[in-house]
Amino acid sequence: DQQVKQNSPSLSVQEGRISILNCDYTNSMFDYFLWYKKYPAEGPTFLISISSIKDKNEDGRFTVFLNKSAKHLSLHIVPSQPGDSAVYFCAAPSNFGNEKLTFGTGTRLTIIP
Amino acid sequence: DSGVTQTPKHLITATGQRVTLRCSPRSGDLSVYWYQQSLDQGLQFLIQYYNGEERAKGNILERFSAQQFPDLHSELNLSSLELGDSALYFCASSASGGPSVQYFGPGTRLLVL
Repeated sequence: DQQVKQNSPSLSVQEGRISILNCDYTNSMFDYFLWYKKYPAEGPTFLISISSIKDKNEDGRFTVFLNKSAKHLSLHIVPSQPGDSAVYFCAAPSNFGNEKLTFGTGTRLTIIP
Repeated sequence: DSGVTQTPKHLITATGQRVTLRCSPRSGDLSVYWYQQSLDQGLQFLIQYYNGEERAKGNILERFSAQQFPDLHSELNLSSLELGDSALYFCASSASGGPSVQYFGPGTRLLVL
């Protein structure tokens, strides 16, 4: 049972435009979410997180939105840059505290110059 | 640079062999996590150690074991290796207590021939 889902395996966006990556979850106990970016042959790099007490968190070009009723979160990147081309994972820690991260399957973002 | 180091970067070995992967967490982080990323499985949690003690376990095979030493570095031991164990193995670390970000190392790419 996949508790964190990223239904779009890939996304192509023109440079300068907005990239929107989506993530759905099924476990209503999740109360903290993270987005990671991953380049080939490198470890995931933390981008931005959001707690369930918020519905939005912003850090520079990156904004994460959380819709608890829909069990949906999204990552917006504005403006998109060529260096943003990577695989993006959403993740949630299980239950209470900071134990295992459950990852989505990832979305490969390609920014077209 | 996340501050998490992993050695070796690459490892090629034969079926039936045993290997040890090493991880040094970020300075001050007490928790260490191991994840496996294979082609068809995404990022899967294996095991977590907190200040030397096992804290949480995922779908880790009995042929695999780990430990965290007093200096907080961790080792993941993989034995009786099979072709299907070929994967990227990532270590992550986090600060103690509460939901917080896990920072990932660059990974060890294991190839079992």
